[in-house]
Amino acid sequence: GENVEQHPSTLSVQEGDSAVIKCTYSDSASNYFPWYKQELGKGPQLIIDIRSNVGEKKDQRIAVTLNKTAKHFSLHITETQPEDSAVYFCAASSYGKLTFGQGTILTVHP
Amino acid sequence: SQTIHQWPATLVQPVGSPLSLECTVEGTSNPNLYWYRQAAGRGLQLLFYSVGIGQISSEVPQNLSASRPQDRQFILSSKKLLLSDSGFYLCAWGRTGGGYTFGSGTRLTVV
Repeated sequence: GENVEQHPSTLSVQEGDSAVIKCTYSDSASNYFPWYKQELGKGPQLIIDIRSNVGEKKDQRIAVTLNKTAKHFSLHITETQPEDSAVYFCAASSYGKLTFGQGTILTVHP
Repeated sequence: SQTIHQWPATLVQPVGSPLSLECTVEGTSNPNLYWYRQAAGRGLQLLFYSVGIGQISSEVPQNLSASRPQDRQFILSSKKLLLSDSGFYLCAWGRTGGGYTFGSGTRLTVV
């Protein structure tokens, strides 16, 4: 089955800096890669996603890049704000089922 | 628009007591439904998923069971809770090849 590795497990940045979270996947058949943000005590919320026929997607301060050859994808957050502090999960969809990474705790210090 | 409801939000249950968590989806038909458990606020462990009424797949052998009595209803149960069943339980719905929409979660504490 699919295996998704996510790094780093924790990330601490100063407000205004950029943050990058990286994931690798094992199944070359995976074709959909969403990213979720989970705030304390809440369910994960989809923040951005990308399909395998696209290399990059941007939505305001967040962007996702995908390298199919290397089987890795990344989340980029620019101009970070304290409200970006949360746990972020990447995922890969293979044969209709999502496999999640282990999560990254992002802390943005004011 | 589609919405997913999960309740209760918090639950404290004694060891050995039964459990029933309910999840319902509105605004869509024949969704794929999922139950996840999250321990220590980190990884998402898939417990069960269902692609249709009465169709349940178990990912991890455990003290829990799931049922789907109606198209948009997914129930997580236990006959006798263990301390190790404590955690944050999340219901989600999705479509094959797409992302999932999660409910707001249930914080279960077994005492």
